[in-house]
Amino acid sequence: DSGVTQTPKHLITATGQRVTLRCSPRSGDLSVYWYQQSLDQGLQFLIQYYNGEERAKGNILERFSAQQFPDLHSELNLSSLELGDSALYFCASSVGGNGETQYFGPGTRLLVL
Amino acid sequence: AQKVTQAQTEISVVEKEDVTLDCVYETRDTTYYLFWYKQPPSGELVFLIRRNSFDEQNEISGRYSWNFQKSTSSFNFTITASQVVDSAVYFCALSERASGAGSYQLTFGKGTKLSVIP
Repeated sequence: DSGVTQTPKHLITATGQRVTLRCSPRSGDLSVYWYQQSLDQGLQFLIQYYNGEERAKGNILERFSAQQFPDLHSELNLSSLELGDSALYFCASSVGGNGETQYFGPGTRLLVL
Repeated sequence: AQKVTQAQTEISVVEKEDVTLDCVYETRDTTYYLFWYKQPPSGELVFLIRRNSFDEQNEISGRYSWNFQKSTSSFNFTITASQVVDSAVYFCALSERASGAGSYQLTFGKGTKLSVIP
């Protein structure tokens, strides 16, 4: 158990819909990261937050957005969903953002039908 | 060009055999970090090891060992006396400071699927 929690574990929805994925970091970690894992793209970094502020952006689509709240939990919002958005979405956390170990949550498996 | 290359897509070994998973990375930074993660069939990503670019000492942890060679930009992972529970996808990853950003970003290789046959 990494100490990072993610909900829900599974999500099935239809194209065009919007979903919210939630992540709680390990106690004491200020950085939260979101990753997408798909068969064709592998593990892709989406976005990082540090203590409530956006720190870095990766290959995140404009239809996707995220935020980190004062209690440090984070949410990833995916809108106008397409079939290709079906993937495993991971949240990770680390103490800071300077190369420390990122500990990953169990992931949310999203299926868009 | 890929920043992290894991040339072996899939490997099968018989239980108790030793196996080495290769990882080659590419970076211009002098300060960077290398990682290995394990993804068992259940899907979670489990941290195995972190190495900084200034520490080339090899590391051993039980049946696991890692060989870091800056001269060849490689960070290979060896499992000794493999067991069925070692069956998983193993990812090598590079953490370097992203250009224009104030933080390090983690880039993963495509992974090596290891199957240990009883």
